[in-house]
Amino acid sequence: SFELTQPPAVSVSPGQTANITCSGDKLGDKYACWYQQKPGQSPVLAIYQNTYRPSGIPERFSGSHSGNTATLTISGTQAMDEADYFCQAWDSNTGVFGGGTKLTVL
Amino acid sequence: QVQLQQWGAGLLKPSETLSLICGVYGESVSVYYWSWFRQPPGKGLEWIGAIDQGGSPNYNPSLKTRVTISLDTSENQFSLKLRSVTAADTAVYYCARAPPLGPDWGFEYWGQGTLVTVSS
Repeated sequence: SFELTQPPAVSVSPGQTANITCSGDKLGDKYACWYQQKPGQSPVLAIYQNTYRPSGIPERFSGSHSGNTATLTISGTQAMDEADYFCQAWDSNTGVFGGGTKLTVL
Repeated sequence: QVQLQQWGAGLLKPSETLSLICGVYGESVSVYYWSWFRQPPGKGLEWIGAIDQGGSPNYNPSLKTRVTISLDTSENQFSLKLRSVTAADTAVYYCARAPPLGPDWGFEYWGQGTLVTVSS
């Protein structure tokens, strides 16, 4: 079955760049989305179709895709970016999520 | 600005049916693509299923035998039913909306979440 793998945790210092990866077999043939979720809140769409940013999402958030790995990059990371991040893609009309990455800004 | 407001029973006994409704305000359910997700306490997100603007559903194979998602255009809402629940179905359930072009464009609008607990 199709699976997406993310690192469980990533740490970054304020102002630095955070990279969160998402890998999966044949992910290169699919579109990836990224969701941000803060404790007790509903997820927020941060990136769709690998690289596009919805309105209202800060420009410091960007997405890229190379081979079977999608990457969410947060440039100039701020304390407010501390959250869980989930990648998601579709395989045979089934939505699949990565296990999530806890981003700590310290 | 679209708003999704969800409601339903928060405490169920094993073998009962989970029933949630997602009310859509600010736009028509007949235009967009709708989905349900869930998140067990302290765990990741899981896609349950979806329904398109024409009312055609699509379910996660792992839940397909127990799930029904339907569209109610007269009330401008869509619903989730999950039969024969067990403790493993305890989770926060979310409804969400994707653009008419479909889920590849991402789910930009989400309901507030409903905690459903299954316990005897």
